[in-house]
Amino acid sequence: SYVLTQPPSVSVAPGKTARITCGGNNIGSKSVHWYQQKPGQAPVVVIYYESDRPSGIPERFSGSNSGNTATLTISGVEAGDEADYYCQVWDSYSDHVVFGGGTKLTVL
Amino acid sequence: QVQLVESGGNLVKPGGSLRLSCAASGFTFSHYSMSWIRQAPGKGLEWVSYVSSSGTTRYYGDSVKGRFTISRDNAKNSIYLQMNSLRADDTAVYYCARVLGSVGAHNDFWGQGTLVTVSS
Repeated sequence: SYVLTQPPSVSVAPGKTARITCGGNNIGSKSVHWYQQKPGQAPVVVIYYESDRPSGIPERFSGSNSGNTATLTISGVEAGDEADYYCQVWDSYSDHVVFGGGTKLTVL
Repeated sequence: QVQLVESGGNLVKPGGSLRLSCAASGFTFSHYSMSWIRQAPGKGLEWVSYVSSSGTTRYYGDSVKGRFTISRDNAKNSIYLQMNSLRADDTAVYYCARVLGSVGAHNDFWGQGTLVTVSS
């Protein structure tokens, strides 16, 4: 089955740039979505189809996808960005939705 | 506004059954596919099941296939998850979520979840 690999944690100082990766075999050929989840809350989509941003999500959030790695980039990180982030794809070979294991973003 | 409200979560013994419901409002329910996604305590997200807008196409995660059944009633704006042969590792918060487009699309709205605890 298709596997998505995320680093368990990423730490960044306020105002700096955070990059959260999502690795998968030829993930560049798939559509990738990113979710933010804060403690006790349901997930919220922050990037869909690699780089599209829903209304209400700051421009500081962006995404890219190429080769074997998709990346969620958060520029000018704020304390309120501290959360767990998950990538998601659809694997057409297995007819499964697949989530990455999640990355905890800590703002120092 | 879009609302998804899950219900039916409870404490159940291993081997038991439970039926979850998700009531939708604020959009034309019959136009959208829906999914169930779960999260075990302190763990990540795990996709459980998907149902197309008409209900004719259904997919399941490997860990629940053969034990869980997803269904929907477009007249009642609801989806359901019938869970049989429950195991301790099915313990999780279960979310229903709207799929914005085809099966590979993202989940643009989520409910607040309902807790299922499987324990003797």
